[in-house]
Formats: sequence, C-alpha cells, structure tokens
Amino acid sequence: KQEVTQIPAALSVPEGENLVLNCSFTDSAIYNLQWFRQDPGKGLTSLLLIQSSQREQTSGRLNASLDKSSGRSTLYIAASQPGDSATYLCAALFNNDMRFGAGTRLTVKP
Amino acid sequence: DAGVTQSPTHLIKTRGQQVTLRCSPKSGHDTVSWYQQALGQGPQFIFQYYEEEERQRGNFPDRFSGHQFPNYSSELNVNALLLGDSALYLCASSSWTGEVTGELFFGEGSRLTVL
Repeated sequence: KQEVTQIPAALSVPEGENLVLNCSFTDSAIYNLQWFRQDPGKGLTSLLLIQSSQREQTSGRLNASLDKSSGRSTLYIAASQPGDSATYLCAALFNNDMRFGAGTRLTVKP
Repeated sequence: DAGVTQSPTHLIKTRGQQVTLRCSPKSGHDTVSWYQQALGQGPQFIFQYYEEEERQRGNFPDRFSGHQFPNYSSELNVNALLLGDSALYLCASSSWTGEVTGELFFGEGSRLTVL
C-alpha cells in the first residue's frame, strides 16, 4: 500500500531558527513529490515540486530534497519567520494517484 | 492570470440532500482533480478528470460523481449526504504531460457542513 507519513505532527520553534520537516513514503516508484503550505481553513499553496529524476529543489529560503531509494524527502526552511507558521504537507505521485501526508503544523514564535 | 477558483466557499446541507461543487482550473490547465480533506488530516483523492472523462478514482463510493466540461471546468456532486461528508473539498488543476499529471495547483476549497 502506498502511504506518505510526516514527522513530526507539530513543531514550535523560535524565530530565526533553521528547521527540517520530514516526509517518508513506502513506494520508491514515485513520479514526483510536491511540498505544500496550508493556512487554517484555506487551500494548498505549492512550494516546491521535485521530479523523480531530481535530488533537490530550492526556492528562496526553502530547500527540498528527495531520496527515492530510502523513501524520504525533507523540506529545509532557513531563518524561520512568524509568517512561516502554517501546516506543511508533502504529497507523492504514484502512477497518477497523489498521496498526501497528514502534515506538520509549524509555529514560529517571535 | 486567475488561479484555480471554486464555488461556493461555504455551504450547509442536511443529511440526505445532494450538493454540487464547482471548479474552474488555472488558465492553460486541462486536468482537474478533486480531494476531500477532513479536519486535521491530509487531502484524500476522490477522482481526476481529463478530456471530459474520469481518468482515475480513489476509494470513494458512487455517491460521489463528477463531470468535466469542454472548457475544462468541473463539478463534484455528492448524493445522499452523510454527516461524515462534512469536510473541505479541494479542487486541483494541472497539465497532462502525456505520461502523468504535472504540478498541482489548488483552489481555496469549498467547506461543506452536513447537519
């Protein structure tokens, strides 16, 4: 069964700290992996998309890596800010079936 | 360039009723996927439409049906509503690459409450 797991479920850090969010998936035969941000009661905002042939993608203070062999992806956020507070979800595309993790709820304290 | 738009944003129904949710994809996109997100959980895949046909379906009963129109917009219909259907319904659009769907872009969702 193709599953996506995110750890931790919640994370609270002081402003300015660098942090890593983890995503694991059970099947290495993924086509791509996408990281999203979701604010309370809102839709999902795409942050980064990593194709299966890529190892990492960067956008501003965000860096996402992909290791298919170990079934893991990480989202690195540098110099965190209170505005980064949100739920971060990863989603893996398996043969047109995109599976989401339950998300990591991040709180950045001023 | 308008992104993915969904309507209505909020609605309240009673058990047994039927509901229709609507989605307009991002300009240039031809594929629409629907997801159900319960509180505190990740989105669950309902189905995907491409070229006006259901291409793939998740583990949802036949009470959930959909349609895609020639302009790529889409509807999600849910019949015989149950209390457990209360959720945020998300529409995502993408471009079909010829092999798999591309990057997903989501709308703000329709919040359905079933009483």
